[in-house]
Parts: sequence; structure tokens; C-alpha cells
Amino acid sequence: DGGITQSPKYLFRKEGQNVTLSCEQNLNHDAMYWYRQDPGQGLRLIYYSQIVNDFQKGDIAEGYSVSREKKESFPLTVTSAQKNPTAFYLCASSISKGEQYFGPGTRLTVT
Amino acid sequence: ILNVEQSPQSLHVQEGDSTNFTCSFPSSNFYALHWYRWETAKSPEALFVMTLNGDEKKKGRISATLNTKEGYSYLYIKGSQPEDSATYLCAFPPGTDSWGKLQFGAGTQVVVTP
Repeated sequence: DGGITQSPKYLFRKEGQNVTLSCEQNLNHDAMYWYRQDPGQGLRLIYYSQIVNDFQKGDIAEGYSVSREKKESFPLTVTSAQKNPTAFYLCASSISKGEQYFGPGTRLTVT
Repeated sequence: ILNVEQSPQSLHVQEGDSTNFTCSFPSSNFYALHWYRWETAKSPEALFVMTLNGDEKKKGRISATLNTKEGYSYLYIKGSQPEDSATYLCAFPPGTDSWGKLQFGAGTQVVVTP
């Protein structure tokens, strides 16, 4: 059963702590993406990776970091430098330039 | 950041009625336009990826048209059903070299009432 998994569904952290969100896909897609959603706004791109061992910043990369060591995995670290980390985070993947397939999302709350 | 605008922000539709809404995007350096449907408690799901001016795509009762010269796309829902209730998102990559860098609109929320 192919798809994208994100874990955990809900995540709570104290301010000042780094936290890593998991994203795994078994669709054999080359490209993977991380988005953030805030109330009343569209999805905003944080980072994307078109191929293993390569990634590019999106529109709101400050305070985030990623790695792409395996085709299946694209973890996102929310660092303490991210000023407003509380949000809903979506991971997606695609075959090159085609439609994107989304995971179920992780809701991060930082207090 | 390119400006992708969707209107209206929300729609209330009676079951059986048809409706449509708009996505506006910069017409210069057009590469592709994506439409996604996002139902509550689910993941966004791709509806269409459109690339050609004048293109029309259809999936069941949902169809979309594209005008790249004037920078807009319409999404139509024919004979709306309660299961069509969702937020519909359009997204636009800024060019061929940045095809992965989708800019999303804020969405049109559609509520279909029986």
C-alpha cells in the first residue's frame, strides 16, 4: 500500500528545543517537499528536494533544516531559531514535475 | 513570492446546484497550474495539472479551464454533492527551472448543504 507517512500526528515541545518531523514515502518519487500551513493562509513551501542528497530553500526556510540521505525519507528539523514554530506541517512527494501527493500532516505546538 | 489569488474565499452551495470559482496567477513565464482538493481531516489530493492555454480537464463532475494569456483558471463543480465540500487550492510554479517551488493560493472553501 503506497503512500506518504508523517509522524507523529501531534507534537508538543517547549520553546528553545529543536524538534524533528518525520516524512517517509514508498512511492519511489524523486522529489519531496515540506509545507507549513497557518490559519487563513495558503500552504507555504519550506524546503524541497528534487533528488537524493540535494535540496533547496523554499519561501520560508529560516529556522528550519532538512536532509535527504535516502530517496524515501525527508526529515524536517524545526530549530529554536524559528520564531513562530506552532503550525500544521505537510510533507509531499512527486514524480519530477507532476502532481504532488501529500501526507497526513503533523500539528506542532510549541509553548 | 509570486501572487496566486483565489476567489471567492468561501462558497455555500445547495446540493444539486453548480458552481465555479477562480484562480488568478501571473501570466508571464507560465509553466503549469495545479488544482488540489483538501477535505477536512484528510490530506490534499491532486485534481489537475494543467499546462496548455485553453486546456480543459475533467474528473467526474469537476472540470477546470485554463487561460495562460490572461492568467486565470476556473474550476467548475456540476450538480454539487455534500461530498464535494472541501477547500480547493490552486498552485503555480514560477518557472520551468523552479517547477518544484509551488506557490499556493489561500483556497476557496466550498460547503455543500443538502
